[in-house]
Amino acid sequence: KNEVEQSPQNLTAQEGEFITINCSYSVGISALHWLQQHPGGGIVSLFMLSSGKKKHGRLIATINIQEKHSSLHITASHPRDSAVYICAPFTNAGKSTFGDGTTLTVKP
Amino acid sequence: DAGVTQSPTHLIKTRGQQVTLRCSPISGHKSVSWYQQVLGQGPQFIFQYYEKEERGRGNFPDRFSARQFPNYSSELNVNALLLGDSALYLCASTPWAGGPSDTQYFGPGTRLTVL
Repeated sequence: KNEVEQSPQNLTAQEGEFITINCSYSVGISALHWLQQHPGGGIVSLFMLSSGKKKHGRLIATINIQEKHSSLHITASHPRDSAVYICAPFTNAGKSTFGDGTTLTVKP
Repeated sequence: DAGVTQSPTHLIKTRGQQVTLRCSPISGHKSVSWYQQVLGQGPQFIFQYYEKEERGRGNFPDRFSARQFPNYSSELNVNALLLGDSALYLCASTPWAGGPSDTQYFGPGTRLTVL
């Protein structure tokens, strides 16, 4: 395994802090998804990236295809952002792969 | 519109038993994928079905099988359950075969516990 590495594994922040979650992958990819998983299991797709940067509300995702690296940023974090964030590259072989997730806890 | 639904929500089985998990995709979606998520890890791909045919299979033993019905719902079967099969089983649907740009819509999962 270890085609996808996320860091940190766990992250605790105070409300209002700027959050960065990193994802590195070792295979060639055609796109990368960032997913959010809440306690209980439900997964929601946040972003799909194939290049550059995307912004949605307080969430920003960037990708550097050459460096095989993507980051997810959360500005002005809030306790409701507490969840597991999963990086999911879609490989050139046509396969979805997943990191083990970063568990984010935002304290009020 | 209803999202992806899965049943049952929770299931407890003993070693050696067989289990069937069910998934209904979003209306109009023709592809269903199954994933196994062990606690603390990311999802692992098990199967993808598109138009009732298997499109992909992950690195799982033959004890795992699946099928897709004409209404695009799907079942995942696991035979001869092992303790290590305890996990959250997730189903995801996409409108078509599922390419790199396609957003997968995940169901809430079925939590399987094998005792």
